[in-house]
Amino acid sequence: DSGVTQTPKHLITATGQRVTLRCSPRSGDLSVYWYQQSLDQGLQFLIQYYNGEERAKGNILERFSAQQFPDLHSELNLSSLELGDSALYFCASSVGSGGYGYTFGSGTRLTVV
Amino acid sequence: GQNIDQPTEMTATEGAIVQINCTYQTSGFNGLFWYQQHAGEAPTFLSYNVLDGLEEKGRFSSFLSRSKGYSYLLLKELQMKDSASYLCAVRAYRDDKIIFGKGTRLHILP
Repeated sequence: DSGVTQTPKHLITATGQRVTLRCSPRSGDLSVYWYQQSLDQGLQFLIQYYNGEERAKGNILERFSAQQFPDLHSELNLSSLELGDSALYFCASSVGSGGYGYTFGSGTRLTVV
Repeated sequence: GQNIDQPTEMTATEGAIVQINCTYQTSGFNGLFWYQQHAGEAPTFLSYNVLDGLEEKGRFSSFLSRSKGYSYLLLKELQMKDSASYLCAVRAYRDDKIIFGKGTRLHILP
């Protein structure tokens, strides 16, 4: 157990729907990062939050949004889902600014049918 | 922006040594990471280099040359469980996020 908790582990939904993925960082970690991993693209950085504030944005679609709550857990919202959104979504956390790298959660596998 | 290149696939034999190369381009540099990822699982941290040279950790070693934008991961005494993808990743200066290459899938043959 890495200490980073992601739920749900698996999600199957239809095109056009909306889903919410949840991440609880390791105790004491202030930063949360979201990544998308599809077969051909590798790990793609989506967005980072630090202590409740958006810190960096990557290749995140406008249909996707995220937030970090006061208890530091984070949610990634995916809407108007398309078949191409099927992927593994990973959350990672770190203590703060950069540092020694970060720890990943076990991921949420999203399948859009 | 950042650009990271590593071979797509490599094959090696159990008990042997394999070197996985990574070249990168980044605007500013603040660390290079290697992660291991088994299929369908989360990446796990292997090594971190921020200064030039070799970092050794058991059967795994990682080397960095900042002037050449080059790193390698050396795996010794290969075991079947080392069959996985190995991800090279860099962090730019004044950045927190880590950008990953597409990974090298390593196949170990008995």
